Amino acid sequence: RKEVEQDPGPFNVPEGATVAFNCTYSNSASQSFFWYRQDCRKEPKLLMSVYSSGNEDGRFTAQLNRASQYISLLIRDSKLSDSATYLCAVLSNDMRFGAGTRLTVKP
Amino acid sequence: GAGVSQSPRYKVAKRGQDVALRCDPISGHVSLFWYQQALGQGPEFLTYFQNEAQLDKSGLPSDRFFAERPEGSVSTLKIQRTQQEDSAVYLCASTLPPVGNTIYFGEGSWLTVV
Repeated sequence: RKEVEQDPGPFNVPEGATVAFNCTYSNSASQSFFWYRQDCRKEPKLLMSVYSSGNEDGRFTAQLNRASQYISLLIRDSKLSDSATYLCAVLSNDMRFGAGTRLTVKP
Repeated sequence: GAGVSQSPRYKVAKRGQDVALRCDPISGHVSLFWYQQALGQGPEFLTYFQNEAQLDKSGLPSDRFFAERPEGSVSTLKIQRTQQEDSAVYLCASTLPPVGNTIYFGEGSWLTVV
């Protein structure tokens, strides 16, 4: 079993939709959690860190449930420019990534 | 430099050839990671350095893969006797300690083995 698992996707949504991605991790000692965005043929870039209390950055909301070893990302009012692959990342002894969930926002 | 720099950006190798991929992390960044990313997959952890010490190499897929960071700055990932399944993007990332800080990726070295 992989250390970090994500919804397989792909997600194809219309502009303005709300979309949620989920991610589970297996190491209960994991310390920090992140969502990265990766555009086609580009390197991953940090979207946001995920805190226990949940955190919001504009249209993006990230949540962490340590008891269930689960993190989520909610995108509200999707824009065409949100089309990308979203990777969850979990820090244990080192940083591990999920396989990514591809999002396509259509007009 | 301003960011993580990797070279070569693109490499085509014949099966059986040895390749060396270079990573120049952000100046002052202590921690350095190598990842392998196949098409349509997430980055798979290969190895991790803190300064010159290789603290984890559990992700290296075979003994054909070797990484070093002798002076605690530039790192080289070497792949001996390349196979077609080695074709992937090799991503290097670095961060200041603690490792919980943001890690910054280079643009990757795209390796195609023919």
